[in-house]
Amino acid sequence: DQQVKQNSPSLSVQEGRISILNCDYTNSMFDYFLWYKKYPAEGPTFLISISSIKDKNEDGRFTVFLNKSAKHLSLHIVPSQPGDSAVYFCAASPGVGAQKLVFGQGTRLTINP
Amino acid sequence: EPEVTQTPSHQVTQMGQEVILRCVPISNHLYFYWYRQILGQKVEFLVSFYNNEISEKSEIFDDQFSVERPDGSNFTLKIRSTKLEDSAMYFCASTGQGLANYGYTFGSGTRLTVV
Repeated sequence: DQQVKQNSPSLSVQEGRISILNCDYTNSMFDYFLWYKKYPAEGPTFLISISSIKDKNEDGRFTVFLNKSAKHLSLHIVPSQPGDSAVYFCAASPGVGAQKLVFGQGTRLTINP
Repeated sequence: EPEVTQTPSHQVTQMGQEVILRCVPISNHLYFYWYRQILGQKVEFLVSFYNNEISEKSEIFDDQFSVERPDGSNFTLKIRSTKLEDSAMYFCASTGQGLANYGYTFGSGTRLTVV
């Protein structure tokens, strides 16, 4: 069951440049999409989300883009900083209520100085 | 900043034994969840809990699993008879809004090792 897919297991980016993390989904019932960041030995930390009625949401250095027709979303981090090195998970939810999240496999982002 | 607290951080148990993983959600949150992550795999939903009952559970959450909110602060996950394949990081999460788009607050996890 691969409803949410992150096809790149790892990504390496130079400090100061843009990091782009990608995520694809198959279930058209998904209504909300979220990005989480995870450091080793810690739980996932919520970063940013987007509703399916929008195509972009921005919060500081983080921007999430949603392309519903392509069932694709991406997270842009600019400028990338060494502290951004972590595993990033894309997650999707069917909508309101006490809904579960369906996670992708994660992408390990490494920011090189 | 309020946080979700999980204990213990690491639990080693023998196959067939019962384990209880404990969580203290954020105090004014109403929705509670357990997720797990087997090493190298994705984070998977186990169960959601609201108003003192299970609101949704996954196929993983079979009869060996149960959840309880025994008092006003704790939220526990019990595995009745552990199997080797139950070895994973177990994450507790809570949210006040009940909307996944606001983002859950996750705890740091309990690493369960079944030997």
